[in-house]
Amino acid sequence: DIQMTQSPSSLSASVGDRVTITCRASENIATYLMWYQQKPGKAPKLLIYGASSLQSGVPSRFSGRGSGTDFTLTISSLQPEDFATYYCQQSYSPPLTFGPGTKVDIK
Amino acid sequence: QLQLQESGPGLVKPSETLSLTCTVSGGSISTSGYYWGWIRQPPGKGLEWIGTIYYSGSTYYSPSLKSRVTISVDKSNNQFSLELSSVTAADTATYYCARHLGYCDSTACYKSVYFDYWGQGTLVTVSS
Repeated sequence: DIQMTQSPSSLSASVGDRVTITCRASENIATYLMWYQQKPGKAPKLLIYGASSLQSGVPSRFSGRGSGTDFTLTISSLQPEDFATYYCQQSYSPPLTFGPGTKVDIK
Repeated sequence: QLQLQESGPGLVKPSETLSLTCTVSGGSISTSGYYWGWIRQPPGKGLEWIGTIYYSGSTYYSPSLKSRVTISVDKSNNQFSLELSSVTAADTATYYCARHLGYCDSTACYKSVYFDYWGQGTLVTVSS
């Protein structure tokens, strides 16, 4: 199975900050990388697919980059509603696997 | 707007079978190109893909759970279901159903598989 890691595991930030989360795959996954946002007690929400394509309805302050093994999710200006846990997911090779998550909370 | 809703018992005894149903509304489960999956999340932990079904009945399971999982589809009621046998406390989790796009061949789903619609999730506790 392809192992996904994320860093940091958690971070504290302020409204307006630029935040970057990293996801690393244990082997080359091309751009078959997705990002989800999950708030407490809620289902995950798709933000980014194909490493950099913004899902419909997702604010443009979210962006994704990367290919191969290293990927980033950037929030250009953190908003109050962005405090959540973020997960990456690969679909290059079965089985589908997710990263362990990065929790973004308020500084 | 597509909606998914999980239903089923919230408490299951060890060694028994966990059974959940996902009802799809606002769209047809038989729409070509869309797959229907189950994902779980133990309390305070990350996400784990369990398996996927296509409306034709083709199924794809996580190798780690394959021996205990059965996913089925009921097109007439726009539902799909999960059965997980011989459960233990380690199967305690919130179970989500979700729609995904992407590619599934005869054996597996991969390449551009992403979950775009999710149910709200249902917590299943395994305890005597």
